[in-house]
Amino acid sequence: GQQLNQSPQSMFIQEGEDVSMNCTSSSIFNTWLWYKQDPGEGPVLLIALYKAGELTSNGRLTAQFGITRKDSFLNISASIPSDVGIYFCAGRVCERKYGNKLVFGAGTILRVKS
Amino acid sequence: EPEVTQTPSHQVTQMGQEVILRCVPISNHLYFYWYRQILGQKVEFLVSFYNNEISEKSEIFDDQFSVERPDGSNFTLKIRSTKLEDSAMYFCASSESQRGWYEQYFGPGTRLTVT
Repeated sequence: GQQLNQSPQSMFIQEGEDVSMNCTSSSIFNTWLWYKQDPGEGPVLLIALYKAGELTSNGRLTAQFGITRKDSFLNISASIPSDVGIYFCAGRVCERKYGNKLVFGAGTILRVKS
Repeated sequence: EPEVTQTPSHQVTQMGQEVILRCVPISNHLYFYWYRQILGQKVEFLVSFYNNEISEKSEIFDDQFSVERPDGSNFTLKIRSTKLEDSAMYFCASSESQRGWYEQYFGPGTRLTVT
């Protein structure tokens, strides 16, 4: 089936730093979603993207729907300690055989530098 | 703010037993989903449900699984005869119709432990 390659797998952040992560696929997507998951909790929707080239912000978070429709990135500006957690990209593949389900990336773990 | 709720938060069961996981989706949402997340792995789609029937299911969702909307508020996932490999977090999600279809909102999950 289709796969989302999410990178990096993990990263350390220092308060105030900007953070960037992305998802790529060989398939074309018509929707990209970014979620954050804290330990023991469900994913929380951060940003939804529906059109190629779309750039959407939610506070310090900015995400873009890649122009090729095969990728998306998420940026976090001026990170704070509560940004730690796991960030997942998810998308809906633009092929009828895949229906309407969301496909998730493997996640990017954000940790704080000590 | 409306949210998806799930019960129980943790369920321990013996292999071969039946379990029912319960969800109350956001009240004006029309699409409902179950996802699974094995510890340390990514979230995997199980099934979607709309208009009182399954609209889509994955290869994971075999004959041991079933879903039901027994009344106007609950949405359940039943596993008939649990296996060790069914141990995972199970998340319910819901979304509105129209443009918000793909904006799926997740519940806090039920941790299922099969011993």
